[in-house]
This record gives sequence, C-alpha cells and structure tokens, in this order.
Amino acid sequence: NAGVTQTPKFQVLKTGQSMTLQCAQDMNHEYMSWYRQDPGMGLRLIHYSVGAGITDQGEVPNGYNVSRSTTEDFPLRLLSAAPSQTSVYFCASSPDRTQPQHFGDGTRLSIL
Amino acid sequence: SQKIEQNSEALNIQEGKTATLTCNYTNYSPAYLQWYRQDPGRGPVFLLLIRENEKEKRKERLKVTFDTTLKQSLFHITASQPADSATYLCALGGDSSYKLIFGSGTRLLVRP
Repeated sequence: NAGVTQTPKFQVLKTGQSMTLQCAQDMNHEYMSWYRQDPGMGLRLIHYSVGAGITDQGEVPNGYNVSRSTTEDFPLRLLSAAPSQTSVYFCASSPDRTQPQHFGDGTRLSIL
Repeated sequence: SQKIEQNSEALNIQEGKTATLTCNYTNYSPAYLQWYRQDPGRGPVFLLLIRENEKEKRKERLKVTFDTTLKQSLFHITASQPADSATYLCALGGDSSYKLIFGSGTRLLVRP
C-alpha cells in the first residue's frame, strides 16, 4: 500500500511558467485536498474534492486549478507561477472529511 | 476570523518527562480536533482525534484533552523519548464545513 504519492518531490520554476503537481492515492478515499505550508504558518487549504467530478475552493485558491476525473488522482495546476507561490505543497486524502487525513510527503516548489 | 494558536517557541524537555503542548482557538466552534506529528521533510501523520463531546482521549503514551469552554486542547506525551522530537500540529474541523483548519505547530525537542 503506497498511500498518498506526490510527484515531483522538488521543482524549480521561472516566473510565468506553468506546471502540474501530481497526487495519487490507492486507498479508495473519496475526500482529497491540497495544502500549502509556509514558514510560521499553518497548512492552508487550496482546493478540495469530495469525490470524482466534484471540486471546490479552499482558503487560498487564487492561481491554482484542480480537477478530479478519477477517485485516485487529484492534480494541482499552477497556471502562471509567481514567487509568492514558493512553498511546500501537500496532498491529503481521507474516507470522508471528518476522518483523519493521510498526507503525502510534499512537493517543494521554488519560483524564481 | 477563525484563529488557531500553538506556541511558536520550541518546547525543550528532558527524556522521561511529560511534554504538554497547547492548542487555543477563537471565533470557532469545532465539532472535532485532530493532532498530527510532522518530521522534517515529511508530511503530517495523524495521531489522535477527539470530538466536542469527549473530554479526553488516550493512545499509548499520548493523551489529548478538549475543553470547549476554554477553547483549548492539551496534548500530552508521557515518558517522552528523543524519538518523540518533531513538530506537532493541531487541526480543527466542523460538522458543517469541509475545511480542516491547521495551527502552525509546536516543535518538541526531547533531550537524552
């Protein structure tokens, strides 16, 4: 059981570039979410999904898009990278929103 | 707005002692509270969940209390070990919200 797998682990982008952060889970969880973690701040919710085909915005959605075509995958897209998006990004999944979340090990993203 | 406070200063204790971490919140009435452990370079790992109608929860050397009047949760690690050194995050959730709100975490250092 791999749990939640995030790729890539590290990425450096130039301002204005776009990219997709991948997230996959093999636990058949309906609820998936994306967070960013910055120094001195808690994990902040970017987008979440309660099932395939259903997504919604979290606390800090601007500059990011998501889609959920399958139960397993929940990619996060940066449309036009900005230095303010330099952060560590975590994907998480759980059977439903009230249950404990399983996190991946993160993608460390730097925008120059 | 909703606010969660965890002590930003690291907690430094001697091996064998009890570590007590605090999570305070304002402008929120959570239905449940979760505690996670995070090691450097890794994603958070779930430890304990306590609901609003529960005063205390235990798991091995861990104990969590939840006081909805004081708007506070305490997280205790008894007989602490150097391997308990990590950052501990609290997170609040509500039955009517899909969002889990995280604190910024407290770093625990257990000296041998």
